[in-house]
Amino acid sequence: QVQLQESGPGLVKPSQTLSLTCTVSGGSISSGDHYWSWIRQHPGKGLEWIGYIFHSGSTYYSPSLKSRVTISVDTSKNQFSLKLTSVSAADTAFYYCAREPSMINAFDIWGHGTMVTVSS
Amino acid sequence: DIQMTQSPSSLSASVGDRVTITCRASQSIASYLDWYQQKPGKAPNLLIYAASSLQSGVPSRFIGSGSGTDFTLTISSLQPEDFAIYYCQQSYSSPRTFGQGTKVEIK
Repeated sequence: QVQLQESGPGLVKPSQTLSLTCTVSGGSISSGDHYWSWIRQHPGKGLEWIGYIFHSGSTYYSPSLKSRVTISVDTSKNQFSLKLTSVSAADTAFYYCAREPSMINAFDIWGHGTMVTVSS
Repeated sequence: DIQMTQSPSSLSASVGDRVTITCRASQSIASYLDWYQQKPGKAPNLLIYAASSLQSGVPSRFIGSGSGTDFTLTISSLQPEDFAIYYCQQSYSSPRTFGQGTKVEIK
């Protein structure tokens, strides 16, 4: 059974770079036709899709965050990562990684999420 | 971007009630519409994909319908564990976008 687990610092200073990793267990990140996404949720608010990566490395980012976002994949470690530069308090949120099989085009597996606070 | 609008934003219902949540897309998305349930402190959980396909393991009381721009999630008989926030999401195009959520509360 595939599981996802986010990891990374819970506190980031303003103007610095937020870096998170999602580790995929129970299956290979390279197998199947899956997109691997990052999604965030500001406390008490709705869901915001950040972007996805395919195991080949192709990416798509939300236009609202595109200038600050990089998603990468490390197939040897079965991980994909998020970098968000020049963060501010507005980037304080729960960050989730999720899998989207192209066969169903829906996020069928999610990580538990990790809270990232931007504060000095 | 495709805008997704849910209604109502919240509702109160009793156990056993039939509950309906609607989701409208700003343009046609065919049947590329998914529904999620989120409980406090937890990640969202996929209920319905492709507008009406029930995700494995999800109770059959969750029913999705619609196509084009208008979609509905119906809970045929509300159970205590169904009190949560429900989100729709379009997977027709990127960027993926979500509705603002509907909170289902106990009456």
